[in-house]
Formats: sequence, C-alpha cells, structure tokens
Amino acid sequence: QSALTQPPSASGSPGQSVTISCTGTSSDVGGYNFVSWYQQHPDKAPKLMIFEVSKRPSGVPDRFSGSKSGNTASLTVSGLQAEDEADYYCSSYAGRNNLVFGGGTKLTVL
Amino acid sequence: EVQLLESGGDLVQPGGSLSLSCAASGFTFRSFAMNWVRQAPGKGLEWVSLIYSSGSNTYYADSVKGRFTISRDNSKNTVYLQINSLRAEDTALYFCARGREFGGLGYFDLWGRGTLVTVSS
Repeated sequence: QSALTQPPSASGSPGQSVTISCTGTSSDVGGYNFVSWYQQHPDKAPKLMIFEVSKRPSGVPDRFSGSKSGNTASLTVSGLQAEDEADYYCSSYAGRNNLVFGGGTKLTVL
Repeated sequence: EVQLLESGGDLVQPGGSLSLSCAASGFTFRSFAMNWVRQAPGKGLEWVSLIYSSGSNTYYADSVKGRFTISRDNSKNTVYLQINSLRAEDTALYFCARGREFGGLGYFDLWGRGTLVTVSS
C-alpha cells in the first residue's frame, strides 16, 4: 500500500489561512470517509486534529477544518498562529484492514 | 488521567527480538481496539498493527507480517508487540494508539509518547 501524497512543506503568515492536500486513490481516500489529520510537534506524540474527513475532536480549535473531494482530502488552518507550526499527517482507511498515512507536511508560520 | 505509556524499546542487533508494552490508564481498556504505529528517525508515520478489543482479531502491515505479533491482556490493561528477526529498517519510535470506528482503523484519538527501537550491530 503506497503512502498518501502530501506536499513536504507549507507556510503562511500569522492570521493567514493555509491548506494542505492529501492525495490518494479510490481504494483509500476516495473510497472511505475515514480520513484523519494529525498534528505533531517536534519530539511529541501525534495529536488527532480532524477525523472522518471533517469532524473536530473536543478541544481542537475551529480554525482547523477538513474536507474531501474525490481522491484528495484537505486540511485548512485559518487564522494561523505561531503554535500551529508543526508537522501534519493525513491518514485513511485503505480497505482489507489496512491503514495508510501521508508522508507529512511541515507547516511553517512565517 | 487518560494515557498510554509505552516501554521496552532498546538497542538490538540485527536478527534479534524485542517485546514492547503499552500500559493504558484512565479509560475502559477492554472496550477499545489498539494499534501500533512507528516513525523512523526523521521520517513519517507508518501503521504497523491492530488488535480488536477482545483480542480475537489481529492485523498487520505487509512490511511486518510474519515477524511482528500483537497481543493484549485486558486484565492488565496492556497491549504488546513482539518483534522478531529485527532489521535495520525497523529502527523507529514505536507508538501505541487507541483506535476508533471501522474496527479500530477509523482514527486514532489517544497516543502514547513512544518507545525507541534501534537495530544496529
């Protein structure tokens, strides 16, 4: 199972919005509404930010939103803040009891 | 406090074996599927294995199938990962993660801090 495709980097200034894409296939992203996004700060455990394409866990700011169109999912961070600087990973159920992650995107707040 | 705490990581020679543990607290462990996810140094996340809440079903990534064995003891609130025939490419930080929906592969809502496995001679 190939990893989902994410841009290696993204950036934006404080207050701006940035969108990170996650491209898969009809066997994973396009086939299921089980796309998740995780935030990972250096030397920390991943943290769930978005699940089931667009749902936010309790405690995650509404500045974070998710969507999907076809085989591509997206994470949008609005009103960028310094603490949003981190690595972001998407994941998707990929059928036959398998799950695949994206390669990760390093978000820089300029 | 709801948390997961991994242990057991070590420096091991190629071909060696290791047993990792993940102790859960603060929630009803026996009600949740559990996963192992690993991250090689400077690299991305890779799903490794899933075990159902009852322990009745287990699943593995192709990269570890036949070498890794996941198990759990619900009386001890602990999930394990037995790693055999270790290779250099198994070097990684191993996280345990609580799985939700879709048999435990829908999303991971609770993660431990990880335990480091280094395979080197």
